[in-house]
Amino acid sequence: GAVVSQHPSRVICKSGTSVKIECRSLDFQATTMFWYRQFPKQSLMLMATSNEGSKATYEQGVEKDKFLINHASLTLSTLTVTSAHPEDSSFYICSALNRETQYFGPGTRLLVL
Amino acid sequence: AQSVTQPDIHITVSEGASLELRCNYSYGATPYLFWYVQSPGQGLQLLLKYFSGDTLVQGIKGFEAEFKRSQSSFNLRKPSVHWSDAAEYFCAVGDTNAGKSTFGDGTTLTVKP
Repeated sequence: GAVVSQHPSRVICKSGTSVKIECRSLDFQATTMFWYRQFPKQSLMLMATSNEGSKATYEQGVEKDKFLINHASLTLSTLTVTSAHPEDSSFYICSALNRETQYFGPGTRLLVL
Repeated sequence: AQSVTQPDIHITVSEGASLELRCNYSYGATPYLFWYVQSPGQGLQLLLKYFSGDTLVQGIKGFEAEFKRSQSSFNLRKPSVHWSDAAEYFCAVGDTNAGKSTFGDGTTLTVKP
């Protein structure tokens, strides 16, 4: 139980375009999901907390207009990287909260050319 | 504010040897504590967690961890390491109110044949 999926697993896009990443909880409902960014050989950096039916809460220094988060249902949260630039290239990981425990998706590797 | 310290950046053990990964935390109340494992290019997998009760917690893949309040520690142990255990290990402390977790910087485990 407590399986979380992410789609796509890998995406390459051109600079200036937008990319949407989906995070789904497959066998439970998640009122709260989290979005992280991870740089090579580093820990996870929390970007934002996504709450179903309300606005996301962004961590300090994260541009909310650049990283749009939508949590329209209890099983789906999306992260849209708008007007992506090469510096946005990274590994993005989501997690879904189930009974005070975060369960993670497999991650999305984004490469912006 | 809560914090997590994993003092060992990199540990190398021989296959079949015992393993202990250290984790120290700072939190104002009784914490929620977690250990996760991450293989390269993958998301994080929950190994075990502690919320309350028995301070020795059993997890998946033969791992266990012991919560020691007096030492503010939650060290991860395994009696006999397998080559497949080579990965990055993250300790995390959870905010019991918001569900957010703070992660340590991780410990890279290398297993020698």
